[in-house]
Amino acid sequence: GAVVSQHPSWVICKSGTSVKIECRSLDFQATTMFWYRQFPKQSLMLMATSNEGSKATYEQGVEKDKFLINHASLTLSTLTVTSAHPEDSSFYICSARDEGQNNQPQHFGDGTRLSIL
Amino acid sequence: GESVGLHLPTLSVQEGDNSIINCAYSNSASDYFIWYKQESGKGPQFIIDIRSNMDKRQGQRVTVLLNKTVKHLSLQIAATQPGDSAVYFCAENQGGATNKLIFGTGTLLAVQP
Repeated sequence: GAVVSQHPSWVICKSGTSVKIECRSLDFQATTMFWYRQFPKQSLMLMATSNEGSKATYEQGVEKDKFLINHASLTLSTLTVTSAHPEDSSFYICSARDEGQNNQPQHFGDGTRLSIL
Repeated sequence: GESVGLHLPTLSVQEGDNSIINCAYSNSASDYFIWYKQESGKGPQFIIDIRSNMDKRQGQRVTVLLNKTVKHLSLQIAATQPGDSAVYFCAENQGGATNKLIFGTGTLLAVQP
């Protein structure tokens, strides 16, 4: 149980394009999901907390207009990188926890590799 | 705050040996800690967790030790196998209702056959 799925796995696109990444909880519901960013050989940096039915909470230094988050249902959060540029190239990962079970850890998707040309 | 490093510390061990990976956490209010394994190109995979009211927890071939006095966490892997080669991260839940996880720098475990 507690499977988190991300789509797409890879995206390669031109500078200026907006890219949408989906994060789904496949066998549980989550009112809260988390989005991380990871550069090569570095740790995961929390970008924002996605809240179902309300605005996302962004970490300090993360531009909310650049990284649009929508959490319209209990099983889906989306991250849209708007007008992407080469410096936005990174590995984006989401996580969620089965809130219907006590003491459950966060489970992660397999990430989305974003490459902006 | 978050730990970000330009170079991953590396632990190199022989197959069959025991591995110990260490982690220092930052917030004394953190009440829940998790170890994750990340293979190349994949998301982090849950290994084992421990709550702040415990100092040791064992799983299959893995043991986590928590020392709250010095804010230190360790992951012990028994009889390390080539399939254990990956980057290992500790993560702390800093308490409260948000359930946000803050990740450590990570350690690259390289298992030599």
